[in-house]
Amino acid sequence: DQQVKQNSPSLSVQEGRISILNCDYTNSMFDYFLWYKKYPAEGPTFLISISSIKDKNEDGRFTVFLNKSAKHLSLHIVPSQPGDSAVYFCAARFLLSTLTFGKGTLLTVNP
Amino acid sequence: DTAVSQTPKYLVTQMGNDKSIKCEQNLGHDTMYWYKQDSKKFLKIMFSYNNKELIINETVPNRFSPKSPDKAHLNLHINSLELGDSAVYFCASSQVGQGGGYTFGSGTRLTVV
Repeated sequence: DQQVKQNSPSLSVQEGRISILNCDYTNSMFDYFLWYKKYPAEGPTFLISISSIKDKNEDGRFTVFLNKSAKHLSLHIVPSQPGDSAVYFCAARFLLSTLTFGKGTLLTVNP
Repeated sequence: DTAVSQTPKYLVTQMGNDKSIKCEQNLGHDTMYWYKQDSKKFLKIMFSYNNKELIINETVPNRFSPKSPDKAHLNLHINSLELGDSAVYFCASSQVGQGGGYTFGSGTRLTVV
């Protein structure tokens, strides 16, 4: 029972272009969403989050958009850089529950 | 200064053995977790401890036993290892009121042969 789904296992973009990573969820109780970035042989690191009372949160090159009616969120990276190449995990929780993660999307940014 | 440290980073062992993975955090967080990332790449919660007390125990075989001697440590002991236990195990910690994000360790890759 995947409550958080990342349907694209991989994404390849050119340096300087926009990267858009997508995430869908099924549990309408989720009230907080996060994106994590993971390099090989390292643990996931927190990138950006958004509360369900907002529809957008921006931090530098990273913007997360939330569409509650569609139960969909996306992470935009502009401009993409080679150092952004990593696996990106979407995660969600409700109240103080533990985080439920998606399967991850491997982003490759080509120079 | 590593915030969440796990040891060992790699562990290769035979079926039937008992092994432990240690985790320590120096962030002063009050909640610690064990996640398992299997071959399908999902990160699944196994256990959650808050101030040394077990809060969540997902459907995990009782061969897995977490132990928290203090709120900075959460160790994972696994008895009678099976081939299906091969995975990467991540320890994490968090603090209520600090945005809900977790700080993860670098993971322990367990291979059972």
